[in-house]
Amino acid sequence: DQQVKQNSPSLSVQEGRISILNCDYTNSMFDYFLWYKKYPAEGPTFLISISSIKDKNEDGRFTVFLNKSAKHLSLHIVPSQPGDSAVYFCAASARETSGSRLTFGEGTQLTVNP
Amino acid sequence: DAMVIQNPRYQVTQFGKPVTLSCSQTLNHNVMYWYQQKSSQAPKLLFHYYDKDFNNEADTPDNFQSRRPNTSFCFLDIRSPGLGDAAMYLCATSTRQSGLTDTQYFGPGTRLTVL
Repeated sequence: DQQVKQNSPSLSVQEGRISILNCDYTNSMFDYFLWYKKYPAEGPTFLISISSIKDKNEDGRFTVFLNKSAKHLSLHIVPSQPGDSAVYFCAASARETSGSRLTFGEGTQLTVNP
Repeated sequence: DAMVIQNPRYQVTQFGKPVTLSCSQTLNHNVMYWYQQKSSQAPKLLFHYYDKDFNNEADTPDNFQSRRPNTSFCFLDIRSPGLGDAAMYLCATSTRQSGLTDTQYFGPGTRLTVL
């Protein structure tokens, strides 16, 4: 039972264009969402998060959008840079019932071409 | 720099031979987690410690055990590794804040190979 799904295993974009990574979830108890970035041979690093009381959070080139009714969130990277090439994981937490435990998606490999 | 360290980075063991993976942190975080990640799959939480309180996930096999002798160190013991236990093992830490979800900080992982 995959509660967090990233349906695109890979995405390729041109440098300077927008990258949009998508994530869907099924558990309505999830109330906090995070994106992590992972380079090869390194652990995931925290990128950006959003609480369920918001529908948008922005940090520099990175913006996360949350659509609770659709149980969908997306990460926008504008403009994309070659250094953004990595695997991006979506994660979710149900603070009331599960505390700080995170449920991860399978990841999307982003490749930004120069 | 404060960080999460995992040793070794690569571990090879034989089928059925016990193995221990190590995690240490200089962040002074009170929560430590162990995840298993198989190729092209989501990281899967095995268990976590909140201070000294051990929290096992319901579907974590008994073959996997953990120890946390102090705040800084946490160990993952695999008592009898099978071929299906070959994976990347990720350690993470966080600090519990009331009303907030903790950002988890990950180590680089240990790649376990079972022969």
